[in-house]
Amino acid sequence: DAGVIQSPRHEVTEMGQEVTLRCKPISGHDYLFWYRQTMMRGLELLIYFNNNVPIDDSGMPEDRFSAKMPNASFSTLKIQPSEPRDSAVYFCASRLGSPNTEAFFGQGTRLTVV
Amino acid sequence: AQSVTQLGSHVSVSEGALVLLRCNYSSSVPPYLFWYVQYPNQGLQLLLKYTTGATLVKGINGFEAEFKKSETSFHLTKPSAHMSDAAEYFCAVSLYSGGGADGLTFGKGTHLIIQP
Repeated sequence: DAGVIQSPRHEVTEMGQEVTLRCKPISGHDYLFWYRQTMMRGLELLIYFNNNVPIDDSGMPEDRFSAKMPNASFSTLKIQPSEPRDSAVYFCASRLGSPNTEAFFGQGTRLTVV
Repeated sequence: AQSVTQLGSHVSVSEGALVLLRCNYSSSVPPYLFWYVQYPNQGLQLLLKYTTGATLVKGINGFEAEFKKSETSFHLTKPSAHMSDAAEYFCAVSLYSGGGADGLTFGKGTHLIIQP
């Protein structure tokens, strides 16, 4: 398996634009997580899915953020409209089964909003 | 809710010296504990984990960690540091809360610097 695949690796956009980040989890994994990493706040869990259903979105910072998982092999994180303070590295991770198993991370998407 | 505290945002050791990265957690139920490593411009990679059983767990690259319930700690150690160990290290906690599974909660990370 190629691991968790995220696209794009880098995204530069202007304030106010819509941004869509994409994630393909490892085949067969039933959990998918979206994290945001910044210097100030570290790694924050934004939302996670189990069997394509959102379980906990309490980490999503504002209504400008939304995430979907239309099927087991694809998820998106959308920011509309984007703001400079959204600049961060966004990671997707997937896991098979219960919380005592390893979560596998993608390479991340570095988002810069100017 | 669970939380993780990593003492020291930066730790510097000499090559060949002992590495000790500290992690304390809080949770209302027995936790699952993890250490992940992040190299520059990379995602996170699992070093080791504690779930149940033996409290001293061994991981990749010569790292190990000991779960101490009485101290709510899960410190990471390596007897002899290598230049290649320079990276960001994250402690994380995960719970099974009965009604469902929680996501991994991470500490703020410790940047390990290896001096030649």
